[in-house]
Formats: sequence, C-alpha cells, structure tokens
Amino acid sequence: EDQVTQSPEALRLQEGESSSLNCSYTVSGLRGLFWYRQDPGKGPEFLFTLYSAGEEKEKERLKATLTKKESFLHITAPKPEDSATYLCAVRSNYGGATNKLIFGTGTLLAVQP
Amino acid sequence: DADVTQTPRNRITKTGKRIMLECSQTKGHDRMYWYRQDPGLGLQLIYYSFDVKDINKGEISDGYSVSRQAQAKFSLSLESAIPNQTALYFCATSEGRDGAEAFFGQGTRLTVV
Repeated sequence: EDQVTQSPEALRLQEGESSSLNCSYTVSGLRGLFWYRQDPGKGPEFLFTLYSAGEEKEKERLKATLTKKESFLHITAPKPEDSATYLCAVRSNYGGATNKLIFGTGTLLAVQP
Repeated sequence: DADVTQTPRNRITKTGKRIMLECSQTKGHDRMYWYRQDPGLGLQLIYYSFDVKDINKGEISDGYSVSRQAQAKFSLSLESAIPNQTALYFCATSEGRDGAEAFFGQGTRLTVV
C-alpha cells in the first residue's frame, strides 16, 4: 500500500536556526514527490516537485532533496514568516491512470523571533 | 483573482440538509479533485475527475456525490449532511500529464450541527 509519513509532527525553531523536515514514502512506482506549504485556514501552496533520487530544488530559504526512500525539506536560517504546516505528497503509478496524490499529515513549523 | 475558486468559504448547516460546494478554475486543467482535511488525518481524496465524462471515487466517497458541469467546474454535494462531515474541504486541479503537481483552492470550512 502506498504510504507517506512525515516527521516530526511539530517543530519549533528560533529565527536563524536551520533544520530539516523528513518525508519517508513507500510507493509503487514514484511519479513525483511534492512539497506544499499550508497556512492556517488556507489551501496548500505548491513549493517543489522532485522526480528522481538525487534531485534537488531550491527556493529562497528552502531546499528539497530526494532519495529512493525519503525526501528532506531543509530550511536555512528560517524567519517567522516561514511558520506554516509543510505537507509532502507523492504520485504513484498504482492503478494505472489513477495517479492520485497521497499526502502525509504534515509538519507544523513554528519559527520564533 | 484566484486560479481555483471555491464557494462558499464557510458554511454552517444542519444535520440532514443537502449542501453543495462549488469549485471553478481558470487554469485550463483537465483534472479536478475534491479533498477533505481533518486535524491529524491529512488530506483525503473524496472524488476525482480526469475530464467531463470521467468521474471516479476516491478513498472516502461514501455520503458524497459530485458533478463535473464543464471542464472548469466541479461541484461536491452532501446529500444528507451528518456531523462527522464537519471538515475543511479543498478543490484542486492538475494538468493531465504524468506526475503533474496539483493546485488548490482556498478551501470551504463546513460545519454540520
């Protein structure tokens, strides 16, 4: 069964304190791993797509990496505005054309000034 | 204007009432999805549609129905609302290509009393 697990569930950082969020997955044929940011009461906002092991993507203070079993979202020198829930999702080729997104439960990040 | 628009944004309804949540998109995507989000459970897929004539059940379709009125419009109905359908509902769209990322609306907060 396709599955996505994120850790930790919650993370509190001081402004400027770098850290990483983890997303481990088991899928039948990965067709993309996605990172989203979600602010309270709002829809998930797309950040990155990673397709193959070894791939990396960067955006401002965020960097996403991918291995065959997990992905990391590295946050360098975070600011309070980086506080949000970060969601990981995968697409698999299970079921052929279904190709649906499977989400983890997210990591709630709080960055204190 | 948002690319994926959901209406209403908030709704309180009584047990047993029929309610419809609407979604429209200007991204020109063929694929549309309805997700439900509950605290600690992540996003769960209710229904998805790959084109106007293609509707598919997701993981938690019981108690829900959908209608794809046009490429740009996808509505979700609760035929007889019950309290455990209280949740945050999201519509999303994606391109038809393999591994495409999904783009989400701002969500509808539904409370069934």
